[in-house]
Amino acid sequence: NAGVTQTPKFQVLKTGQSMTLQCAQDMNHEYMSWYRQDPGMGLRLIHYSVGAGITDQGEVPNGYNVSRSTTEDFPLRLLSAAPSQTSVYFCASSPWTTTNTGELFFGEGSRLTVL
Amino acid sequence: GQQVMQIPQYQHVQEGEDFTTYCNSSTTLSNIQWYKQRPGGHPVFLIQLVKSGEVKKQKRLTFQFGEAKKNSSLHITATQTTDVGTYFCAGPDFNYGQNFVFGPGTRLSVLP
Repeated sequence: NAGVTQTPKFQVLKTGQSMTLQCAQDMNHEYMSWYRQDPGMGLRLIHYSVGAGITDQGEVPNGYNVSRSTTEDFPLRLLSAAPSQTSVYFCASSPWTTTNTGELFFGEGSRLTVL
Repeated sequence: GQQVMQIPQYQHVQEGEDFTTYCNSSTTLSNIQWYKQRPGGHPVFLIQLVKSGEVKKQKRLTFQFGEAKKNSSLHITATQTTDVGTYFCAGPDFNYGQNFVFGPGTRLSVLP
């Protein structure tokens, strides 16, 4: 099983460039999310989705867009990259339902550097 | 807003010593989850605790959920070099239960 697949694993951008981090899961999970991880700050939620066509903002959404056209895919778009967006990004999915909080399955991460 | 705190931030132990990390939430939690992240890796789910006062064991790891469901602990007996990594606790967001709020993590180093 592939689980949660993220691409690319590494990316270097210049300030002002845009890019998309891809995330795909093959577990038929309705819930998907994007986190960023910075030293000493744990994992902070950027955006999340509870199903195709439904997205919402997390704790730190500014500068990022998401869409969910299918159950499998949840891309994260950086509109105009800034050095403050240098971070490690993790996509996660969960077999969440309204009556059960499922565990999070994380992708391997995408390390982004903005110069 | 809701906060999840962990102490200590770092812990260095000699192989064979015990290790404990503590997690405290500013709000009562319906459940708490623990994750482990190896250096350079991604977080991996360890366990979920649901009941007040619940204790669960996984080999040398013992997880506890406080009676008030606001705190939790992870204890590792006789650490091994394979235990190296960062341990995170996470609780459901008080307002959006499908989301989790993560603590900052405790980074464990084990010296051989």
